[in-house]
Amino acid sequence: DIVMTQTPISLSVTPGQPASISCKSSQSLLHSDGKTYLYWYLQKAGQSPQLLIYEVSSRFSGVPDRFSGSGSGTDFTLKISRVEAEDVGVYYCMQAIHLWTFGQGTKVEIK
Amino acid sequence: EVHLLESGGGLVQPGGSLRLSCAASGFTFSSYAMSWVRQAPGKGLEWVSAVASDDNTYYADSVKGRFIISRDNSKNTLFLQMNSLRAEDTAVYYCAKRWHSSGWFDAFDIWGQGTMVTVSS
Repeated sequence: DIVMTQTPISLSVTPGQPASISCKSSQSLLHSDGKTYLYWYLQKAGQSPQLLIYEVSSRFSGVPDRFSGSGSGTDFTLKISRVEAEDVGVYYCMQAIHLWTFGQGTKVEIK
Repeated sequence: EVHLLESGGGLVQPGGSLRLSCAASGFTFSSYAMSWVRQAPGKGLEWVSAVASDDNTYYADSVKGRFIISRDNSKNTLFLQMNSLRAEDTAVYYCAKRWHSSGWFDAFDIWGQGTMVTVSS
């Protein structure tokens, strides 16, 4: 099974400042088709998860451009260029190359 | 509008059974793989099971042999039959739609609001 490890577990950010979350997978997420099946979700309090980023770096429909994803192979990063109050919640990375596995989550709060 | 609505959660004793349902609307249900994802209280997300559009099924090791996923395309409904339930199965269970109708490696783009399952004596 592929294990997804996120750091940090929690993050307190001043509005307008950047934030960065790391996600590492125990196996490469690069498929022979050339795509890397790494995704990012945000789960706001009391809500279902919502897709932010697909295939490492592409923003899902309606996601603000302050969110960006990068990485390759087994190391990935989600960045928020300027955190806003509405960005509060728990962020999860997810792999989809071998069934599906989520990271343990990173809680982002506002200072 | 695409919508998923779970039902069937509740309190069940250890060793008992429960059947969850997920009613889908707003898309061609039969064309999409569907999954169940759970979240224990205060914990992260755990994929549980998936059923492809061709009815092939997949399970996490933690539920293999105890849970059965199925779909009724005539009723646009996804099911999860949960048997031999354990305390560690206590969680909110979400149904989730696979984003694209073709291919296999993919994200979930639509999630239901979840239904709570509590396994306790």
